Amino acid sequence: SYVLTQPPSVSVAPGRTARITCGGINIGSKGVHWYQQKPDQAPVLVIYYDTDRPSGIPERFSGSNSGNTATLTISRVEAGDEADYYCQVGDTGSDPYVVFGGGTKLTVL
Amino acid sequence: EVQLVESGGGLVKPGGSLRLSCAASGFSFTYAWMNWVRQAPGKGLEWVGRFTSKSDGGTTDYAAPVKGRFTFSRDDSKNTFYVQMNSLKSEDTAVYYCATGDGATVGLDYWGQGTLVTVSP
Repeated sequence: SYVLTQPPSVSVAPGRTARITCGGINIGSKGVHWYQQKPDQAPVLVIYYDTDRPSGIPERFSGSNSGNTATLTISRVEAGDEADYYCQVGDTGSDPYVVFGGGTKLTVL
Repeated sequence: EVQLVESGGGLVKPGGSLRLSCAASGFSFTYAWMNWVRQAPGKGLEWVGRFTSKSDGGTTDYAAPVKGRFTFSRDDSKNTFYVQMNSLKSEDTAVYYCATGDGATVGLDYWGQGTLVTVSP
């Protein structure tokens, strides 16, 4: 099955830029989605299909995807961005699946 | 406003059964692909499986760890999505979320608040 690899943790100072990576073989050929999960809350979709933001998600959240790495970028990080972030890919074809990365804990220093 | 409300969680012994429900409102449930995603205590997200809309075939897909033990169903007249969980194991202990979306082109765009299933003697 397809494997997504995320760093367990990323730390960033307020106001700086955080980058969270998601590695997978030829992930650039797939659509990558990103979720934010705060403690004791359900996940929230923050980026879908590599770069698109659902309504209500701040422009500070952006995504990119190329080669073997997808990246979630959070600009001008705020204390409220501290959370776990998960990448995800899926397929609806002849071999359907949905897979999540292991998650990255973003700490705002 | 989209709402997904899970219910039916609780404590069950190994080998037992449980049925979870996900009541949906605020969107056209008939055309929605519905998923179950679980999260074991202190762990990451794990996709359990999905039920496509009737217009897209009304098919089900299951993750390997639950195939043959879990069964999804949906009642479009009641806007409700279900999972029947049989032969439960301790490793099935998790918060179970229902979520909409195909997981491929649009991701999983709306999630419920989750319901806790604990499998323990």
